[in-house]
Amino acid sequence: DTEVTQTPKHLVMGMTNKKSLKCEQHMGHRAMYWYKQKAKKPPELMFVYSYEKLSINESVPSRFSPECPNSSLLNLHLHALQPEDSALYLCASSQFPPGGPANYGYTFGSGTRLTVV
Amino acid sequence: KQEVTQIPAALSVPEGENLVLNCSFTDSAIYNLQWFRQDPGKGLTSLLLIQSSQREQTSGRLNASLDKSSGRSTLYIAASQPGDSATYLCAVITQGGSEKLVFGKGTKLTVNP
Repeated sequence: DTEVTQTPKHLVMGMTNKKSLKCEQHMGHRAMYWYKQKAKKPPELMFVYSYEKLSINESVPSRFSPECPNSSLLNLHLHALQPEDSALYLCASSQFPPGGPANYGYTFGSGTRLTVV
Repeated sequence: KQEVTQIPAALSVPEGENLVLNCSFTDSAIYNLQWFRQDPGKGLTSLLLIQSSQREQTSGRLNASLDKSSGRSTLYIAASQPGDSATYLCAVITQGGSEKLVFGKGTKLTVNP
C-alpha cells in the first residue's frame, strides 16, 4: 500500500459545527502532515507529527485541532470555523520526520475540499 | 529563508512538443528536491524525487535534473500529451532550521490537442 487516504473528499459545514477530517497511511511512515491549500496557491504547512507527537504547529488557530491516535492515523478536528477557512486540506506522510535520516520524499493524499458556510 | 521560484507561471503548448519547466531555489543546502503534479481540485502526485547527491532522475517521459550549486532544477517532459495538462509544483527540503518542505507557486501547463 503506497497511498495516503483522506476522508471525506468533500465537506460542507456551518460555522457552529464540529467536524473531523481523517487521514490514514499504511506505509510505516513515521511523520505525518496537514497542509492547507487555497485556490491557485501552493500548499501551506499547518502541523507536523513526528513519531506520533506534535512537533510543528505553524501558529494555526485553535479552531483547528490535530490528533494522531496511532502511527497510521491522523485527524484534524474542526470547530467554529470561518468562511475564510474554506480550502483544500491535504494530508501527507514521509518515511522519516524533517531533520531525521535522509528523507525519501513526501506522499500526499487526494485532499478534503472543505466549504464553510 | 528558502524561497522557491518556478518559471513560467503558465505554459500552453501543442501536443507532441517537448518542454522544460524551471525551478530555482535560493539556499543550495537542500536534502532533496521533489516534483509534483496537481490536477484541479485534487491532491499532489509525486513525479520525481532527486536527492541532493544526485544530478537527475528519469521516469518514462519525464526527466528532472538538479544543479544544487546554482540552485536550479528543470523538469523535462518529452512528447507532451493533453493528459499532461496540470499544475506542476517543485518543492525542496532545506538543511538546518525547521527543514520543512518549501513549495514554489507552480507552473500551470496546458497541452492542446
